[in-house]
Amino acid sequence: TQLLEQSPQFLSIQEGENLTVYCNSSSVFSSLQWYRQEPGEGPVLLVTVVTGGEVKKLKRLTFQFGDARKDSSLHITAAQPGDTGLYLCAGAGANTGNQFYFGTGTSLTVIP
Amino acid sequence: DADVTQTPRNRITKTGKRIMLECSQTKGHDRMYWYRQDPGLGLRLIYYSFDVKDINKGEISDGYSVSRQAQAKFSLSLESAIPNQTALYFCATSDLQGAGETQYFGPGTRLLVL
Repeated sequence: TQLLEQSPQFLSIQEGENLTVYCNSSSVFSSLQWYRQEPGEGPVLLVTVVTGGEVKKLKRLTFQFGDARKDSSLHITAAQPGDTGLYLCAGAGANTGNQFYFGTGTSLTVIP
Repeated sequence: DADVTQTPRNRITKTGKRIMLECSQTKGHDRMYWYRQDPGLGLRLIYYSFDVKDINKGEISDGYSVSRQAQAKFSLSLESAIPNQTALYFCATSDLQGAGETQYFGPGTRLLVL
């Protein structure tokens, strides 16, 4: 059983469309991170959220931490081919020994 | 030069062989991690180390061992490789920034066990 489930697992959209990726758990986290991984490379940190209800924006990417700190979402506006990659959420808290546990991943393809 | 390097980048081995994957970092971080990545499962933590004399098991440590030879070096060994250890392996380092911790990943080692 995965601690963090991401949906959808795969997403293929046209350039210019909007999309949302979800990261859900039944556990409470003290912090949650989103990473992007490109083929042949390791994941790269995009953002860390630590407060329930927190919203952070990074250009066209909007990250939200759920009020109960059990879930998070990543919204991309006007997707571009450069957004293509694997998006991973990772949560840490008392139930994980304060180590980050990663979600199952969402593979995004943006078609020009 | 990359801050976190892994060698080899690709490895093919046979069932029962002992192999070692190496990780080096120039970031000066105390914390180092080994993960494996499988399709549809994200990254799973194998072992982690907070300093040279500290080694901790992660979520899936069975069949693996590690050695922290120095602050900059953390190696992962498969004592007797088996086919279901075929995966992409990542090393990571981190600093501790208040409530959030930033992990920096190496480029990965792709391992195939025949």
